[in-house]
Amino acid sequence: QLQLQESGPGLVKPSETLSLSCTVSGGSVSSTSHFWGWIRQPPGKGLEWIGSLYYSGSTYYNPSLKSRVNISVDTSKNQFSLKLTSVTAADTAVYYCARDLVSWGQGTLVTVSS
Amino acid sequence: EVVMTQSPATLSVSPGERATLSCRASQSITSNLAWYQQKPGRAPRLLIYGASTRATGIPARFSGSGSGTEFTLTISSLQSEDFAAYYCHQYNKWPRTFGQGTKVEIK
Repeated sequence: QLQLQESGPGLVKPSETLSLSCTVSGGSVSSTSHFWGWIRQPPGKGLEWIGSLYYSGSTYYNPSLKSRVNISVDTSKNQFSLKLTSVTAADTAVYYCARDLVSWGQGTLVTVSS
Repeated sequence: EVVMTQSPATLSVSPGERATLSCRASQSITSNLAWYQQKPGRAPRLLIYGASTRATGIPARFSGSGSGTEFTLTISSLQSEDFAAYYCHQYNKWPRTFGQGTKVEIK
């Protein structure tokens, strides 16, 4: 059974880089049949798609975040990762990883604060 | 980008009643629409994809309809576990976008 688990710091300082990983079990990030993505949800608000990656190398990002975001895959660890640079308080959210936006991780809260 | 607009923002319904949620796309997305249910503190759960196909394990009381720009999620007889937030999501074009959500609450 496919499972995804987010991990990373729960607190990031303003202007620094938010880095999260998603560990996949029960499936392979090398699969060319699926895309791997990140979605976030600020406290009390709706869902925002951040970006998606196909193993073939294609990546797609939310235009509002494109200048600050990078999604990559590490096949040796069966993980994919999110990096968001120059964070502000507006980036405080629960961050979810997902496969095909069908199977989701449980989410991890990242707070941006000094 | 495709803007997804859901209505109403909040829907008050009694258990056993029917609930109808709407989602409108700013341009045609054919049938590339999904519906998610989200309970507090939980990840979203896929209910419907392809506008009308129930995901694995989803009860038959959930049904989706529509194509193009107008879509509907119907819950035929609300159960206690159905009180939650619901989001529509288009996957026809990049960037992917979500509606702002409809909260279904107990009347």
